[in-house]
Amino acid sequence: EAQVTQNPRYLITVTGKKLTVTCSQNMNHEYMSWYRQDPGLGLRQIYYSMNVEVTDKGDVPEGYKVSRKEKRNFPLILESPSPNQTSLYFCASSLSLGQGSTNEKLFFGSGTQLSVL
Amino acid sequence: SQKIEQNSEALNIQEGKTATLTCNYTNYSPAYLQWYRQDPGRGPVFLLLIRENEKEKRKERLKVTFDTTLKQSLFHITASQPADSATYLCARDLDTGRRALTFGSGTRLQVQP
Repeated sequence: EAQVTQNPRYLITVTGKKLTVTCSQNMNHEYMSWYRQDPGLGLRQIYYSMNVEVTDKGDVPEGYKVSRKEKRNFPLILESPSPNQTSLYFCASSLSLGQGSTNEKLFFGSGTQLSVL
Repeated sequence: SQKIEQNSEALNIQEGKTATLTCNYTNYSPAYLQWYRQDPGRGPVFLLLIRENEKEKRKERLKVTFDTTLKQSLFHITASQPADSATYLCARDLDTGRRALTFGSGTRLQVQP
C-alpha cells in the first residue's frame, strides 16, 4: 500500500531534549516536506526536499533541522525543543510538486502530535 | 505574499443537500488550486486539482470551479452524506520558486442526518 509513515504518533517531551520525528514514503517520490498545523494558522511548511541531499527552508524553519540522505526518508530534528513547538506535525511527499506536471498532489502521513513541556 | 482564505465558520447542512465551500486567493493567480479533506487528527487527503485554464472539474459527487476574475474557487459536494463531514482545505502553488503549497485554514463541514 502506497503510504507516508510517520513515527511516533504522539510525543511528550521537555524543553531542550533533542528529538527526531521519522518520516518514510514507499512511493519513490522525489519531493518531501514537513508541515506543522496549529489552530487558526492552518498548515505551514517547515522544510522541504526536492531530492536526496537537496533541502530548503519553508515558512517556519527556525528551531528545526532536516536531512535527506535516502530518497525514502526525511526525518525532522528538533535540537532543543521549546514549548512554542508544541504542534501537530505532518510529513508529506509528492511525485513531482513544482514541476508543472499532473502529479502535483501531496500525500500526507497520519501526523505526530508533539507536546513540549 | 500569496494567501488563501477560507470561511472559518463551520458549514452545517442537511443530508442530501449540496454543500458549497469557498476559497479566495490574493495576489497572483495560481497555476492551480487543490482541495483536500482532513478528518480530526488525521493527515489531509487529496481530492481534486483544478488548473488556471480550467473552469470546472468533477469527480463523482464533487465539483470544483476556478474563477480568475473573482479570484475564487468553489467546492461543491452534491447529495451530501453524514460521512462527508470533515474539514476541507484549499491550497495553491507558489510562484516564488519555493516548492510548496500554501494552505487555507480550512472550512469544517457538518452534514446532519
